[in-house]
Amino acid sequence: SYELTQPSSVSVSPGQTARITCSGDGLAKKYARWFQQKPGQAPVLVIYKDNERPSGIPERFSGSSSGTIVTLTISGAQVEDEADYYCSSVAGNNLLWVFGGGTKLTVL
Amino acid sequence: EVQLVESGGGLVQPGGSLRLSCEAAGFTFNKHDMHWVRQAPGKGLEWVSVIGTAGDPYYADSVKGRFTISRENAKNSLYLQMNSLRAGDTAVYYCTTGNFDLWGRGTLVTVSS
Repeated sequence: SYELTQPSSVSVSPGQTARITCSGDGLAKKYARWFQQKPGQAPVLVIYKDNERPSGIPERFSGSSSGTIVTLTISGAQVEDEADYYCSSVAGNNLLWVFGGGTKLTVL
Repeated sequence: EVQLVESGGGLVQPGGSLRLSCEAAGFTFNKHDMHWVRQAPGKGLEWVSVIGTAGDPYYADSVKGRFTISRENAKNSLYLQMNSLRAGDTAVYYCTTGNFDLWGRGTLVTVSS
């Protein structure tokens, strides 16, 4: 089965750059999305098509892709960015979707 | 207001059934694929199922044969019929649009005796 692998946790100080990676064989050919989820809330889409930012998402959020690894970068992370982050992509047949295991970002 | 509102969750015994609903508002529902995504307590997101605009359904292996996704465009509604429920199906169930850019607040399903 298709899997996406993320680090379980990332920690940065306020104002630093946070980078969260997501690896999976299919990412070389399929776009990834990134979601932010705060406790008790529904997920929010922060990046789509590897590096596109939906309207309303701060410019400090960006995405990049290199081969089978995609990266979410938060430049100048703020305390309010502390959350769980999930990557997601579609399996090769475009019919089934998968999420990464999630990364807990701590900003303190 | 653009929104998705899930309902139908609750406590059900193992082996039982439950039907979730998701009502859409503020956008052209029939032009969008729709997904169900779930999250077990304290765990990550798990994709469950998708239905295309033509009604074509696809399922995660973990629910195939037990869950049925459907839609009723005239009512701007998405459904998930869940049968043969197991403890491992306990989760908050979210509906979301095909591009994952709009999510409901979720409905909790608890499978326990």
